[in-house]
Amino acid sequence: TQLLEQSPQFLSIQEGENLTVYCNSSSVFSSLQWYRQEPGEGPVLLVTVVTGGEVKKLKRLTFQFGDARKDSSLHITAAQPGDTGLYLCAGPDGSSNTGKLIFGQGTTLQVKP
Amino acid sequence: DTEVTQTPKHLVMGMTNKKSLKCEQHMGHRAMYWYKQKAKKPPELMFVYSYEKLSINESVPSRFSPECPNSSLLNLHLHALQPEDSALYLCASRLAGDTDTQYFGPGTRLTVL
Repeated sequence: TQLLEQSPQFLSIQEGENLTVYCNSSSVFSSLQWYRQEPGEGPVLLVTVVTGGEVKKLKRLTFQFGDARKDSSLHITAAQPGDTGLYLCAGPDGSSNTGKLIFGQGTTLQVKP
Repeated sequence: DTEVTQTPKHLVMGMTNKKSLKCEQHMGHRAMYWYKQKAKKPPELMFVYSYEKLSINESVPSRFSPECPNSSLLNLHLHALQPEDSALYLCASRLAGDTDTQYFGPGTRLTVL
């Protein structure tokens, strides 16, 4: 069974600090997605990483896919209160061709002004 | 355009009511999904439709009945729900084939009294 372990589960920081969220597995994934979700809203796709070793940047957010495609990280530089939310990593279940996603448990980020 | 729409945004229903949730996308995606999400937890898969056919039912109670009238529309019919069914219900869609990325709608906040 493929699992994704996210850490940390909760993070409370001051505005301007940097942070990194990790998404790890013992299984290989064909791709990983990162989503951000605000309370009462649906998850919003931030990025999809596909190639081992890939690095993608989205303004102050940097996403990396591990060389072996078993792990990924999200780094936020100079966090702002608008970054507050639930961050989810997800990857396709390799045993199914229906695109069923496996989710990490999520990281709740609070950025205080 | 990567928009998935869901109606209603909020729904309050009694345990004897019958109601329906609606999801729509016009991106030409051929896989559509229903998820249930509790606060600060990752979404839990309920149903998957692939090319308008039900391909996955994750042992969901029969009081939830999905329907896919066409490739753009997905419904979730609700009947005789329990208070523990109160949650955020999310719809998502995917292009299908080898594309893994799912796009989520804003969700319907369901409260069962």
